[in-house]
Amino acid sequence: EAGVAQSPRYKIIEKRQSVAFWCNPISGHATLYWYQQILGQGPKLLIQFQNNGVVDDSQLPKDRFSAERLKGVDSTLKIQPAKLEDSAVYLCASSYNIFRDRGSGNTIYFGEGSWLTVV
Amino acid sequence: RKEVEQDPGPFNVPEGATVAFNCTYSNSASQSFFWYRQDCRKEPKLLMSVYSSGNEDGRFTAQLNRASQYISLLIRDSKLSDSATYLCVVNAGSGGYQKVTFGTGTKLQVIP
Repeated sequence: EAGVAQSPRYKIIEKRQSVAFWCNPISGHATLYWYQQILGQGPKLLIQFQNNGVVDDSQLPKDRFSAERLKGVDSTLKIQPAKLEDSAVYLCASSYNIFRDRGSGNTIYFGEGSWLTVV
Repeated sequence: RKEVEQDPGPFNVPEGATVAFNCTYSNSASQSFFWYRQDCRKEPKLLMSVYSSGNEDGRFTAQLNRASQYISLLIRDSKLSDSATYLCVVNAGSGGYQKVTFGTGTKLQVIP
């Protein structure tokens, strides 16, 4: 079974430029997450989708970050304009269905991440 | 108070030692719990789920204490390859869906 796919793996941009990250979740997973992880910290949830709807974007800096999952499968996360403090790894993850309590069955699977450096 | 709290460490232990990490959570409605392992510059990967009765997987034992709202991870006979950051994950029902929160992680360094 294919895992969560992300691209690009690495990106270096100048501040005030824009960048977009793409994610393809595990087939059949209804729930998709974007996390931001700064070096030395735990993953911080930016946005969570259930199919093509947003269920939690409370920690997404909406003045510069946007995300979509138009057809309920692939997702794109965009940053425009980027700031130095956006340097981090952006992790996409998916799980079966966060609206169903499967207890330990609702494991979250992560992609390898997209490493962003803003200079 | 943070929703999920962990001691960031680092825990430096010799090979063969036993080491334990705790993780506390604030939401008493939390329903499921996990430990993830994250190697340096890699993505987090599920290590084990934590069941109410406690569970063991080889050298790893996970425990849940609902009364005190914490989970623990015990690693026996530590190996050099156990060096990583261990993330506590708590899954709580909120507004009709399961809200997942990660701790900041505990760094373990096993020393030869």
